[in-house]
Amino acid sequence: AQKVTQAQTEISVVEKEDVTLDCVYETRDTTYYLFWYKQPPSGELVFLIRRNSFDEQNEISGRYSWNFQKSTSSFNFTITASQVVDSAVYFCALSGIQGGSEKLVFGKGTKLTVNP
Amino acid sequence: DTEVTQTPKHLVMGMTNKKSLKCEQHMGHRAMYWYKQKAKKPPELMFVYSYEKLSINESVPSRFSPECPNSSLLNLHLHALQPEDSALYLCASSPTFSGRFHGYEQYFGPGTRLTVT
Repeated sequence: AQKVTQAQTEISVVEKEDVTLDCVYETRDTTYYLFWYKQPPSGELVFLIRRNSFDEQNEISGRYSWNFQKSTSSFNFTITASQVVDSAVYFCALSGIQGGSEKLVFGKGTKLTVNP
Repeated sequence: DTEVTQTPKHLVMGMTNKKSLKCEQHMGHRAMYWYKQKAKKPPELMFVYSYEKLSINESVPSRFSPECPNSSLLNLHLHALQPEDSALYLCASSPTFSGRFHGYEQYFGPGTRLTVT
């Protein structure tokens, strides 16, 4: 069975601090995909990044960076110089196959609050 | 255009009502999804349609009835709901190619916030 664990339920930081959101996954598949989604208070889930199991290169996009380590089954997300607009719930997810279709398994989410 | 639209944004219905939620995408995606999300919880998958055919039903009660009339449109028909069905209902779509695992990202709509009284 596939599983995603986000141990941090809530994190609160002050603007301009760096913050790392942890994600640990479990899967028996050799090919899998990992994702991060952002859900602001408005409710819509916004896709941030997709990473496949064969690509362990870290990625940076502006203030966002992702660290994928297969050895520890982790896919952590760092926001540098956080801003109030980063306040949201962040979900880590793992993609698998069921019934011939691809299915996302979500972690429980981490609520990030960035205070001015 | 990576937009998935959902209507209505809010819906209040009684337990004896029949209503429908609508989802539309024009990205050419052939996989569409319905999720239910309760407060402070992750989205829970309800249904998956692939090439307009139902491929996953996560043991959802029959008072929820999905329909995919064409490749751009997904409906969720609601009948005789219970107050515990109150939640945010999210629709999503993604590309899909049968027979291969691609792990495509899903694009989500803004959701319909449903209240059952």
